[in-house]
Parts: sequence; structure tokens; C-alpha cells
Amino acid sequence: DGGITQSPKYLFRKEGQNVTLSCEQNLNHDAMYWYRQDPGQGLRLIYYSQIVNDFQKGDIAEGYSVSREKKESFPLTVTSAQKNPTAFYLCASSIIGGSAKNIQYFGAGTRLSVL
Amino acid sequence: GQNIDQPTEMTATEGAIVQINCTYQTSGFNGLFWYQQHAGEAPTFLSYNVLDGLEEKGRFSSFLSRSKGYSYLLLKELQMKDSASYLCAAYTGFQKLVFGTGTRLLVSP
Repeated sequence: DGGITQSPKYLFRKEGQNVTLSCEQNLNHDAMYWYRQDPGQGLRLIYYSQIVNDFQKGDIAEGYSVSREKKESFPLTVTSAQKNPTAFYLCASSIIGGSAKNIQYFGAGTRLSVL
Repeated sequence: GQNIDQPTEMTATEGAIVQINCTYQTSGFNGLFWYQQHAGEAPTFLSYNVLDGLEEKGRFSSFLSRSKGYSYLLLKELQMKDSASYLCAAYTGFQKLVFGTGTRLLVSP
């Protein structure tokens, strides 16, 4: 089955700790994205990548870092600089252009909480 | 600036029809997406409108007016499983989506 796999489903972070959220896709999509979802707010873009070894900051990149060493993988690190990391994190992927009209497909999400 | 407005919450009865409105003001616009999101789950794609007009897909239809910066999602023959949040998102180009805060729909028996 093709899809986007995020792990873990739940994650707890201690003060001063960096944590990494995993996102893997086997859809052969070029572009991948990380969003943050808070109650009462829309999805906000953290980082996105259109090609391997390249990525761009979204609207709320401060305190986060990413890498794109493989087409299938786009891990997100929440660093200790992110002072309010508690949120639901969603990874998405899409084809660029073509008939798929840039539809973004989402993983099941990781819920991050601070201890 | 980027602004997407949709109602916070709506209620409807099983079997009824409900219309969820979305207005947008974005710098750059290439189309309008609607997603469905059940609590604690991933958003799933419902529709994508590029041109003005109505697109029908089973019980769900979506409408776009680019000149008015307005879209709506129409859900017919409501079922209990339609209770979810419905997210409106404007595609502004370069693979970027701007999301509204979502409309939580509660369907009652």
C-alpha cells in the first residue's frame, strides 16, 4: 500500500531536549511538507522541500530543522529553541505539477507534548 | 497578507444539506482545496477548484467564485460519519497552501 508514514504517534519532550519526528512516503512524490496544527488555528507550514538536498522555510520555521537526504524521507527536528512545541505535527507530500494538481496527501500525524 | 475565513462550527441533522462557506484574500491564487479531518486524524482530500463554478462528486460539491474570493462546500444527505472538521485552503503557487482554521461540523440524529 502506498502512503505516508509518520512516527511515533505520540512523543514527549523534556526541557532542553531535541526530538526528531519521522516522515516516510512511498508514493514517489517530489515535494514534502511539515505542518503544525494547534487548537483553533489552521495548519501552519514549517518547512517544505521540492527536491532532494533542498528545502525552504515556511511561515513558522524558527526552532525547527529538517533534512532531505532521500526522496522518501523528510524528518523534522524540534529543537530546544522551540519554546512552545506542544502541537499536532502533520507531514504531507505531493507531485509537482501534472494532472495531480498539487494535491497534498497527509500522514496520520505525531502529537508532541512537553513533560 | 493571507487571510482565509470560515465559520468555526456548524450543526446539522442527519439527512439534511449543509453549506460551509469560505472567503479568501491571498497574495497569489491558483485554486481552492477542501479537506476533511476527523478528530486526531490526518486531513483527507475532498476537492480542488481552479475555475469558477460548481464541481460535484457524489454527496459532496464544491463551488468557486474567483472574482468574489469565495468558495463553499455543499454536503448532501448528511450522515453521522460526516461529523468532522472541514478545512478550506488556498493554493498560492510554488506548492504552498494557506489553510483556514477549519469548520467543525456536528451531525445529529
